Amino acid sequence: AQSVTQLGSHVSVSEGALVLLRCNYSSSVPPYLFWYVQYPNQGLQLLLKYTSAATLVKGINGFEAEFKKSETSFHLTKPSAHMSDAAEYFCAVSHPLGRGGKLIFGQGTELSVKP
Amino acid sequence: DTGVSQNPRHKITKRGQNVTFRCDPISEHNRLYWYRQTLGQGPEFLTYFQNEAQLEKSRLLSDRFSAERPKGSFSTLEIQRTEQGDSAMYLCASLPGELAAGELFFGEGSRLTVL
Repeated sequence: AQSVTQLGSHVSVSEGALVLLRCNYSSSVPPYLFWYVQYPNQGLQLLLKYTSAATLVKGINGFEAEFKKSETSFHLTKPSAHMSDAAEYFCAVSHPLGRGGKLIFGQGTELSVKP
Repeated sequence: DTGVSQNPRHKITKRGQNVTFRCDPISEHNRLYWYRQTLGQGPEFLTYFQNEAQLEKSRLLSDRFSAERPKGSFSTLEIQRTEQGDSAMYLCASLPGELAAGELFFGEGSRLTVL
């Protein structure tokens, strides 16, 4: 069975500081991994995805994530936080031979950005 | 707006009543997914359609829940004899196709409160 654990339900950073949101996964096969973002009163939006190509994946809005098989991790980073990054972020996993959009999500990490 | 549309956005009902949610996906997307999100948790998969065929249902989808996509376009999710435990955000998402693994386009959700 697959699962996702996001470490920290709430992360607070200062504007301009590094953003690091942690995600660890469990999967019996090499998975597909995703980060989604949910801004207040909006639907979830795909930030980036890993599908067994390059281990460092770049996404929208300056975010990137690195797949580390040895650590079963897929942490999300951004070098410099902006106020507009305040949102809830979800890590998700799917089986590569699974049903396309059937994802298992973590519980989410709320990112706050202080001026 | 050509995104995924859900209505109603909010529904308050009394325990035991029936409710129905509608989802209009992006028109060219043949796969449609329903997820449920409770407070402080990530979305959980409920069911999905490819065109009009319902191909998979989660164990979370009890007999009181039924979903349809009669013409392969919009979908409805009906909950009969609602219970307080059904209170959640019901999310709809569409997928361009199986090859676009995990690239879900989410609607803004329908929030259900059962009193």
